[in-house]
Amino acid sequence: GAGVSQSPRYKVAKRGQDVALRCDPISGHVSLFWYQQALGQGPEFLTYFQNEAQLDKSGLPSDRFFAERPEGSVSTLKIQRTQQEDSAVYLCASSLGGKETQYFGPGTRLLVL
Amino acid sequence: GNSVTQMEGPVTLSEEAFLTINCTYTATGYPSLFWYVQYPGEGLQLLLKATKADDKGSNKGFEATYRKETTSFHLEKGSVQVSDSAVYFCALSALSGGSNYKLTFGKGTLLTVNP
Repeated sequence: GAGVSQSPRYKVAKRGQDVALRCDPISGHVSLFWYQQALGQGPEFLTYFQNEAQLDKSGLPSDRFFAERPEGSVSTLKIQRTQQEDSAVYLCASSLGGKETQYFGPGTRLLVL
Repeated sequence: GNSVTQMEGPVTLSEEAFLTINCTYTATGYPSLFWYVQYPGEGLQLLLKATKADDKGSNKGFEATYRKETTSFHLEKGSVQVSDSAVYFCALSALSGGSNYKLTFGKGTLLTVNP
């Protein structure tokens, strides 16, 4: 009965490094979302998958951000050449699809020095 | 585009006080409305939701009513407890192309309840 899990929980990166953040959604959930939460702000949408298809990536802030979900289950958010402004909590959420409730993981807190 | 505006905090109350956190929204179509809560050191949890006008969502003593005429979804609780101390987020979900029901969040309201 596991919920959404994310790893690592914390990541410190030097500016210019590449990072990869993993999300394990609830088994059977079709929809998967990534959000970015800056300090003191609400989460903001990054990208959306339906199964393995990335149907919306309009929230990705730059072409340094890339997400994939190759088998329709686990998803990875990759950030290339990290910058200080990428420091935030990255949240993953999954749902059964459509209007169903989204369930959130604990997030990965990324600090870029 | 869609947006959510919620009461800025922080809000500090004594135990057993009445709580209101205001939330208004702008959206096209017919959004669903949510309150999520983030306890210290934990992830976002759904507190309650309402999917159509005049629906009332409720959970753990919290309530919110979907008011289409005022585009509001205010969160209320009659008697808060210390354990309610957390950050509360109002959010909406509306179809955004295809099957994408992405969430749009407010900035969050920090609630602290003192014994």
